Amino acid sequence: AQKVTQAQTEISVVEKEDVTLDCVYETRDTTYYLFWYKQPPSGELVFLIRRNSFDEQNEISGRYSWNFQKSTSSFNFTITASQVVDSAVYFCALSEGYGGATNKLIFGTGTLLAVQP
Amino acid sequence: EADIYQTPRYLVIGTGKKITLECSQTMGHDKMYWYQQDPGMELHLIHYSYGVNSTEKGDLSSESTVSRIRTEHFPLTLESARPSHTSQYLCASSELRNTEAFFGQGTRLTVV
Repeated sequence: AQKVTQAQTEISVVEKEDVTLDCVYETRDTTYYLFWYKQPPSGELVFLIRRNSFDEQNEISGRYSWNFQKSTSSFNFTITASQVVDSAVYFCALSEGYGGATNKLIFGTGTLLAVQP
Repeated sequence: EADIYQTPRYLVIGTGKKITLECSQTMGHDKMYWYQQDPGMELHLIHYSYGVNSTEKGDLSSESTVSRIRTEHFPLTLESARPSHTSQYLCASSELRNTEAFFGQGTRLTVV
């Protein structure tokens, strides 16, 4: 069965600090996809990144970076020089299989990030 | 930018009422989802659909029902609302392949 664990329920940092959000997943499939979403106070979930299981290259997008390590089943998300606008709930998610209609998107429990000015 | 819309954004309703939460997307996506979000943040999949006339129950048992008569429309209905149904309901859609899902802004339902 698939499972996503975000052990950090809440993190509070001061602006300009770097912060890493942890994500550990479980799956029996060799082909799967991992995602990160941001949920600001307005409520909608905003897609940040998708990574497939065959691509372990780390990715950087501005102040955001992602570290995917299959050996530890982790897909961690780092925000560099955090800003108040980064305050949100962040969700990690997993989808098993290669294409196909039956794949479901399963979410972790989320990490609430509060960036203080 | 995502084109998926949910109405209403907020709803306060009395116990026993029948309600329908609307969800529409203009992206032509085949897959659509309904998630229920606890006050404590966790997202639970309650229904999903692969396309027209297909609906499946998710991982969390729900007394709600859904229908998919048109690709763009995936409404969720509660026949008799109860206080335990108070929650945020999020609708999403994606292509059939493992692409990202796009979410609506959610409906915050309060049953009194």
